[in-house]
Amino acid sequence: AVRMTQSPSSLSASIGDRVTITCRASQDIGSYLAWYQQKPGKVPNLLISGASTVQSGVPLRFSGSGSGTDFTLTISSLQSEDFATYYCLQSYNNPLTFGGGTKVEIK
Amino acid sequence: QVQLVESGGGVVQPGGSLRVSCAASGFTFSSYGMHWVRQAPGKGLEWVAFIRYDGSNKYYADSVKGRLTISRDNSKNMVYLQMNSLRGDDTGVYYCVKCTGGEVLLNDFDYWGQGTLVTVSS
Repeated sequence: AVRMTQSPSSLSASIGDRVTITCRASQDIGSYLAWYQQKPGKVPNLLISGASTVQSGVPLRFSGSGSGTDFTLTISSLQSEDFATYYCLQSYNNPLTFGGGTKVEIK
Repeated sequence: QVQLVESGGGVVQPGGSLRVSCAASGFTFSSYGMHWVRQAPGKGLEWVAFIRYDGSNKYYADSVKGRLTISRDNSKNMVYLQMNSLRGDDTGVYYCVKCTGGEVLLNDFDYWGQGTLVTVSS
């Protein structure tokens, strides 16, 4: 199975900060990497597919990059509604595998 | 609008069985693959199983292979997860998730149900 290593597992940041979350795959997954946001008590929401395609309705401060084994989710200017847990997911290889999650908290 | 409504969760003893269901609406159900994803209390997301749009292929996480079985009824817009030989580490919220395509790979998850809680405990 492809192992997805997400880092950091948690971070504290202030409103307006630039935040970067990384996801590393144990083997080449091309660009078949998605990012999901999960707020407390809510279901996950798809932010980015294909490593860099921002979904309709997702604020432009969210961006994704990478291919192969190394991927990044960037929030250019953190807002209060962005405090949540973020997960990466690879869909290149069966079984599908999620990263362990990154909890973004208020500093 | 797309709706996914899970049901059937509850408390079951270790070694027991349970079937959870998902009623889908708002899209052409027979054209899309469907997933089950679970989340243990306070933990991350874990992909559990997938069924192809026509039910012809099914895929499972290693942790559930041989114990959990996914199925669907396209005439009723329903997807099911039959869970047998349940263990404590199967405890969690089980989400029904719509795939953006018909196949397990190279697609994403675009709609999630609210989930149903399964608790395995004596």
